[in-house]
Amino acid sequence: DAGITQSPRHKVTETGTPVTLRCHQTENHRYMYWYRQDPGHGLRLIHYSYGVKDTDKGEVSDGYSVSRSKTEDFLLTLESATSSQTSVYFCAISSGLAGGTYEQYFGPGTRLTVT
Amino acid sequence: GENVEQHPSTLSVQEGDSAVIKCTYSDSASNYFPWYKQELGKRPQLIIDIRSNVGEKKDQRIAVTLNKTAKHFSLHITETQPEDSAVYFCAAILNNAGNMLTFGGGTRLMVKP
Repeated sequence: DAGITQSPRHKVTETGTPVTLRCHQTENHRYMYWYRQDPGHGLRLIHYSYGVKDTDKGEVSDGYSVSRSKTEDFLLTLESATSSQTSVYFCAISSGLAGGTYEQYFGPGTRLTVT
Repeated sequence: GENVEQHPSTLSVQEGDSAVIKCTYSDSASNYFPWYKQELGKRPQLIIDIRSNVGEKKDQRIAVTLNKTAKHFSLHITETQPEDSAVYFCAAILNNAGNMLTFGGGTRLMVKP
């Protein structure tokens, strides 16, 4: 597995509380992504980053924000968690090298439950 | 944006048989098509991929074919084994700055011993 870790691996939180999930990579890859996975919906992109302090929205970005202050870390924040954000969250990385290196490698995931 | 549809949603085969999973995509500008395998409770793992300038790629028992005219691509697994049982996802990427993948809905493959 590529050098990707996610923390925490499991979290239970209450509706309305803020939550931050962390993705850490040791591969020095340029691109980092946050996905959520829900039954019947597959994997959907929330936000992605193409460099330090460079981020953009994905398909399902409402209710989420991200930050990337260092190459190795990409944070996903739920400002005020809702039950609809109960999901498994995966981080992914991609080198994005010149010549079109597109392979994405996934972290182990974080299971978030909002009660 | 891109839209990827995947069929079937579930597939049951006997050990030793072949399995085929098909995906269609909407944007003719898409140029990279990976396949991921996800075992229960685990992360998606990249198993094979193909670029738009190639029609077929093989890696041991798995192969992927791409038909750019029809905008569809397929995963072929031969001589299936119980350890092939998992959920398989196809995806497509547009050649843009974000290298964003759009995933299909997944196929649950069950290989019966």
